[in-house]
Amino acid sequence: NAGVTQTPKFRVLKTGQSMTLLCAQDMNHEYMYWYRQDPGMGLRLIHYSVGEGTTAKGEVPDGYNVSRLKKQNFLLGLESAAPSQTSVYFCASSYPGQGGEQYFGPGTRLTVT
Amino acid sequence: AQRVTQPEKLLSVFKGAPVELKCNYSYSGSPELFWYVQYSRQRLQLLLRHISRESIKGFTADLNKGETSFHLKKPFAQEEDSAMYYCALIGFGANNLFFGTGTRLTVIP
Repeated sequence: NAGVTQTPKFRVLKTGQSMTLLCAQDMNHEYMYWYRQDPGMGLRLIHYSVGEGTTAKGEVPDGYNVSRLKKQNFLLGLESAAPSQTSVYFCASSYPGQGGEQYFGPGTRLTVT
Repeated sequence: AQRVTQPEKLLSVFKGAPVELKCNYSYSGSPELFWYVQYSRQRLQLLLRHISRESIKGFTADLNKGETSFHLKKPFAQEEDSAMYYCALIGFGANNLFFGTGTRLTVIP
């Protein structure tokens, strides 16, 4: 039981490049989330999904897109990376109605130069 | 709008001393409050939730609706308590958490 996994662990991008971060969970959770963590800012929700085929915007969605084609996967895309998107990205998942009890992945450290 | 405030970015205490990490919130309703912890090189994990009224690793937190606070307390700090602590809120019927900015606790041997 791997829990929540994230791919890749580290990535360096140049401004304007695109990439996709993959989150996978094997706990059969309906809800999945993408956060970014920045010094002094805490965790901020980018997008989330309450089920396969559904997505919703969080607090800081601009510059990101997401897709939930399969229940166990939640993809975060950056179409044209900017230095302001340098951050640590965390994925999380939870059961329905238990959005307060989230299980987190190990994080992806992204640097945009 | 909901807001979670953790006024201390850094907190240092000596081993064996009491520790209190402050959390204040604003929410027009009945929220659920949580404390999450991130130890060095580990993933973020749930420490405790106010509904459970339990003590985890010696930590307790009481929801004070009058003062809109949910401070985390431990009577005797241990070195292994050194970590980043986040207070978080979820509104009634909502699907997502709002996190505070976090407090980094260092327990000095």
